[in-house]
Amino acid sequence: DTAVSQTPKYLVTQMGNDKSIKCEQNLGHDTMYWYKQDSKKFLKIMFSYNNKELIINETVPNRFSPKSPDKAHLNLHINSLELGDSAVYFCASSQFGAGSNQPQHFGDGTRLSIL
Amino acid sequence: SQQGEEDPQALSIQEGENATMNCSYKTSINNLQWYRQNSGRGLVHLILIRSNEREKHSGRLRVTLDTSKKSSSLLITASRAADTASYFCATDGGNTGFQKLVFGTGTRLLVSP
Repeated sequence: DTAVSQTPKYLVTQMGNDKSIKCEQNLGHDTMYWYKQDSKKFLKIMFSYNNKELIINETVPNRFSPKSPDKAHLNLHINSLELGDSAVYFCASSQFGAGSNQPQHFGDGTRLSIL
Repeated sequence: SQQGEEDPQALSIQEGENATMNCSYKTSINNLQWYRQNSGRGLVHLILIRSNEREKHSGRLRVTLDTSKKSSSLLITASRAADTASYFCATDGGNTGFQKLVFGTGTRLLVSP
């Protein structure tokens, strides 16, 4: 069974549209994350939730809004998509909400392409 | 700013050879992690080394940490074609409490049969 699963795997849409990416983890972890990986493979954290509570919110445009209905799910909604949003978005989770001293488990990414 | 930078950016070797990748970082840390990313997949955790450790092994992987030089290295011995992937180091900010991981730029490793 997949530990961290994201849907959809591919997302192709036009500028200005609104889209959502869903993430679920079945590892029983307390903490979940969203990362953005650009075309040069640079991976940067966007958000982190611990037990449904937002604990990290990097300098991300407020067109991006994460939602955590429960600690096993962390969704990402993006409004008014722009060309620069094209990237691979990764969801991850870790145990104990400790961030840096626990391994993070990643999903396989959602490849977002803006036309 | 970016915490870790890997060197080299790309490495091409033959199966059976050893591969060494280096990571340099800028601030003090509590621990450092190495991850592998296969093409089209998510990152997979390989090894975590704490700031009070100097060396750690896991199978064919050996990680060293030199906090005085703010650097770490990942050695893959007897490489296989399946080791072809990008490898990233990730560090924290050295503070207490919850903190984020900051990933390096990655080394792309190509192992040819």
